[in-house]
Amino acid sequence: AQKITQTQPGMFVQEKEAVTLDCTYDTSDPSYGLFWYKQPSSGEMIFLIYQGSYDQQNATEGRYSLNFQKARKSANLVISASQLGDSAMYFCAMTDNQGGKLIFGQGTELSVKP
Amino acid sequence: GAVVSQHPSWVICKSGTSVKIECRSLDFQATTMFWYRQFPKQSLMLMATSNEGSKATYEQGVEKDKFLINHASLTLSTLTVTSAHPEDSSFYICSARDITGLAKNIQYFGAGTRLSVL
Repeated sequence: AQKITQTQPGMFVQEKEAVTLDCTYDTSDPSYGLFWYKQPSSGEMIFLIYQGSYDQQNATEGRYSLNFQKARKSANLVISASQLGDSAMYFCAMTDNQGGKLIFGQGTELSVKP
Repeated sequence: GAVVSQHPSWVICKSGTSVKIECRSLDFQATTMFWYRQFPKQSLMLMATSNEGSKATYEQGVEKDKFLINHASLTLSTLTVTSAHPEDSSFYICSARDITGLAKNIQYFGAGTRLSVL
């Protein structure tokens, strides 16, 4: 069975600094996808970044980058130049390439300090 | 990215009534949609996979007679909470993939529905 683990319930970061949110996963499938979503207090789930298991390079999307270490089964999210608007819950998730359903981690609450 | 619309965003109902939540893919066709439930300060838990033109696939422990799912078209899935009770109060959110698009692996979410059962 697939499993996602986020060990940081809460994180603080100073505005304009970078922050890394940890995510480890477990799966026996050779083909899978890893995702990060942001959930502000309004509740919507905002897609941030995606990494396929066969992708050779780490995914990047603007200020977001995914540090994919396949051997360690980790997929950490790096947010550079943090902004106050980055304060939210962040969820790591994974899916296989069959049914497409997402399995979510427990989430990390990020607070950006001015 | 693809847009998923969910309605209503907030609903309050009396115990024993049924509530219908709609999930629409606005600019793409979705043969499969997903319904999740989220309790406060917790993660999202998949309830069921909604398949266009066929029966939904429910996750273990989810009562299919309690949470009725209908996926009658390629752009609309509905979740009906039947005979709602206070313990059904939660945040319900749907998602869908545009499998024909460039970002075919990405699941896009609706804005969610907060259900409060009195």
